[in-house]
This record gives sequence, structure tokens and C-alpha cells, in this order.
Amino acid sequence: AQKVTQAQTEISVVEKEDVTLDCVYETRDTTYYLFWYKQPPSGELVFLIRRNSFDEQNEISGRYSWNFQKSTSSFNFTITASQVVDSAVYFCALSEAPGQGGSEKLVFGKGTKLTVNP
Amino acid sequence: EPEVTQTPSHQVTQMGQEVILRCVPISNHLYFYWYRQILGQKVEFLVSFYNNEISEKSEIFDDQFSVERPDGSNFTLKIRSTKLEDSAMYFCASSGRGGWSTDTQYFGPGTRLTVL
Repeated sequence: AQKVTQAQTEISVVEKEDVTLDCVYETRDTTYYLFWYKQPPSGELVFLIRRNSFDEQNEISGRYSWNFQKSTSSFNFTITASQVVDSAVYFCALSEAPGQGGSEKLVFGKGTKLTVNP
Repeated sequence: EPEVTQTPSHQVTQMGQEVILRCVPISNHLYFYWYRQILGQKVEFLVSFYNNEISEKSEIFDDQFSVERPDGSNFTLKIRSTKLEDSAMYFCASSGRGGWSTDTQYFGPGTRLTVL
């Protein structure tokens, strides 16, 4: 069965610090997809990134970067030079490839609440 | 940029009443989903819908729940007889394709349902 673990429930940093949010996943499928979503205080879910299991290249988008390591079943998210606007709950999620009998439903972790203080 | 919309943003109802939550998915998307998030908890899958039928549902999605795509644009979630524990944020999502490849699901802003 699919499972996503975000062990850090809350993190508090001071602006301009770097912060890494951890995500560990479990799946029996060889083809799967990993996602990060941001939930700001206003409540909506904002898509940040999607990776498939065959692409282990790390990705950088501005101040955001993601480190995908299949060997440790981890998909960690780093914010460099954090800003107050980064304050939100961040969710890691996993889905499988339905064509191989899996389910494309998203299974979410419990989220990590990030507070960036000025 | 196309987005998923949901109405109402907040619904207050009495226990036992029926509610219908409405969603307009992104126009060229084919796969539709409902998720819910009880306050302070993680987001949980309820149901997925494709080609006018349910493709998967969770244990939460019991006989009190139903979904419908009444026309070419709306996607609704009905709760027949609300319970206190149905109080949550309900998110609609849509994605462009499924099958062998899972596409990104884009979420609406949510409907906060409060059952009194």
C-alpha cells in the first residue's frame, strides 16, 4: 500500500535561512509519481512539482529545489533563502500508475507547517 | 491561466440535511476528483471520476456520498444526510489525462463545510 511520511510536523526559521522539508514514501509499484503541494494560510492547495519514478534528476526552480533519491525512498524539498511568504503547510504526495493496476489517487503525507519569521 | 473553481466557499448546514458542493474543473481536463481535509489533518482522497462514472472511491465515500457531472462543465459532490464528522474542507481537483500516466491534479480553492 502507498504511504507518505513527513516526519517534521512544524518547522520555524528566520528569514533568509535555508530549510529542507523531508518526505519518505512507500509503494510497491515501480512506476509512481511524487508531488509537492503548498497550502498557504488562505487554504488552497498549490501545485509545486511532479516527478516520475524514472527521473531521479534533482530539480531547481528559483529558490526551490527537490532531491529525489530512490535508494532511500525520499523526495525532499529545500527552500533557499526563505521568505515570510513561504510560510505555509507543505504536503508531499504520491500516486501510482493506473495502467499497471495502481491508483492515480493522491496519497498525501500529514504535511509540514513552515513558519518563516522576519 | 485556467483554474478549478468551487462554490460555495463556505457552507453551513444542519445535521441530517443534504448538501451539494459544486466544482467547475479545468475545461479540457478529463479526470475529476474529490478530496477532503478535516481541520488540521492531511488531505484524504474520496473519489475519482472519468467518462461519466466513478473510477475509484475510498472507504470514506459511503452510500451517503454521490458524484455527478450534470453537464459539460460542472462536477458535483452530494452528501445526502450530513453528519457532524462531515465537517471539513472539500477540495475538487482535475487532471488532463490518466491511463498509463498520472497527470498533475490541480485543485480548486475548496469548500469549507460546517455541519451543526
